[in-house]
Amino acid sequence: RKEVEQDPGPFNVPEGATVAFNCTYSNSASQSFFWYRQDCRKEPKLLMSVYSSGNEDGRFTAQLNRASQYISLLIRDSKLSDSATYLCVVNQGWSGGYQKVTFGTGTKLQVIP
Amino acid sequence: EAQVTQNPRYLITVTGKKLTVTCSQNMNHEYMSWYRQDPGLGLRQIYYSMNVEVTDKGDVPEGYKVSRKEKRNFPLILESPSPNQTSLYFCASSAFSSSSYNEQFFGPGTRLTVL
Repeated sequence: RKEVEQDPGPFNVPEGATVAFNCTYSNSASQSFFWYRQDCRKEPKLLMSVYSSGNEDGRFTAQLNRASQYISLLIRDSKLSDSATYLCVVNQGWSGGYQKVTFGTGTKLQVIP
Repeated sequence: EAQVTQNPRYLITVTGKKLTVTCSQNMNHEYMSWYRQDPGLGLRQIYYSMNVEVTDKGDVPEGYKVSRKEKRNFPLILESPSPNQTSLYFCASSAFSSSSYNEQFFGPGTRLTVL
């Protein structure tokens, strides 16, 4: 089983739609979780952290389910500018003197006019 | 402007011809890292550095070398490139913390093709 798994998509959704992505992780001892956004052929950028109690940033909501070992990202009222690949990032904690951070392969979102 | 820069952005080379990809950050970050990104495999860490003169292997270090002689610079060296090193490479930096993950700032990427 991969350490971090995401559905690659693409998710094609109309403008204004609500879309949700999940990301599963295998290490139950994982400590912190994040969503990064990557535009086509560009560098990844931090979108938001994922807190245990769930957190919201405008149209974006992130949730963590430790029992089932997944995190989710919900985007409401999708905009054309939301089209990108969303990377799930899991911090598995210290390993051999550094923090082991694993990136998912990403879920591609295409918002259609 | 706080940023991570990489050069070159695009490079086409031939097997066996040594090359260096430079990475520089102006945020005084202790932690720097190199990743490669391949379709279906995501970002995989090549090497990382927690401070000057402190480097260590990531998940896919074979065929690469790094150095950290100055805090701001972290070059990636391919002594004898091979076609399987054709990839998109990202340098990243972050402030170091022993207790939590700090946001990584990525450079714009270097697209390398080895013929």
